[in-house]
Amino acid sequence: VVMTQSPLSLPVTLGQPASISCRSSQSLLYSNGNTYLNWFHQRPGQSPRRLIYKVSNRDSGVPDRFSGSGSGTDFTLKISRVEAEDVGVYYCMQGTHWPLTFGPGTKVDIK
Amino acid sequence: EVQVVESGGDLVQPGGSLRLSCAASGFIFSKYWMTWVRQAPGKGLEWVANIKQDGSEKYYVDSVKGRFTISRDNAKNSQYLQMNSLRAEDTAVYYCARGADPDVWGQGTTVTVSS
Repeated sequence: VVMTQSPLSLPVTLGQPASISCRSSQSLLYSNGNTYLNWFHQRPGQSPRRLIYKVSNRDSGVPDRFSGSGSGTDFTLKISRVEAEDVGVYYCMQGTHWPLTFGPGTKVDIK
Repeated sequence: EVQVVESGGDLVQPGGSLRLSCAASGFIFSKYWMTWVRQAPGKGLEWVANIKQDGSEKYYVDSVKGRFTISRDNAKNSQYLQMNSLRAEDTAVYYCARGADPDVWGQGTTVTVSS
């Protein structure tokens, strides 16, 4: 399954919203009714951190300005008001079909 | 504290072998799938392999099939990645992570394949 993301680069203004799109080449709906689409954030020099699992579930400690949505093959990560700590690269990853695959990443920086 | 810690990364010649280890703590290791993900210098994340809780199912990215072997020892709360026939394109930071949709990541261990 090929994962694509857009945009690949996203300059943002502090306090403004931001949105990243992720598309899969096949539906990510699994036979058990779950859709295994995750979002990760990686700051420069750090390990990735999972933000969202199964499309829209925020991980513990993830600020509520982050939200995930979508279904089938189209998914979106939204940041309601960007903060300075949100810079870095965001990856979507599908966990429905083996081999599991990541998107190419979207680099978010401050204008 | 829930954590996973990788070790074993090194500089190795093309065609050589290396074994990575990942020590888990702070959670019941035997209840989780485990994952290896790698990141080549300046590149994005690439999923490498998964192993089921009891080791009965293993999955690999096509580029490492037949060369890499994932394994685990639940008694030692550890997973491993045996890497054989290493190529320059295997050069990367290798991350150990908990779960098939990985929620806990280590700091990574660096593998450099070069003559």
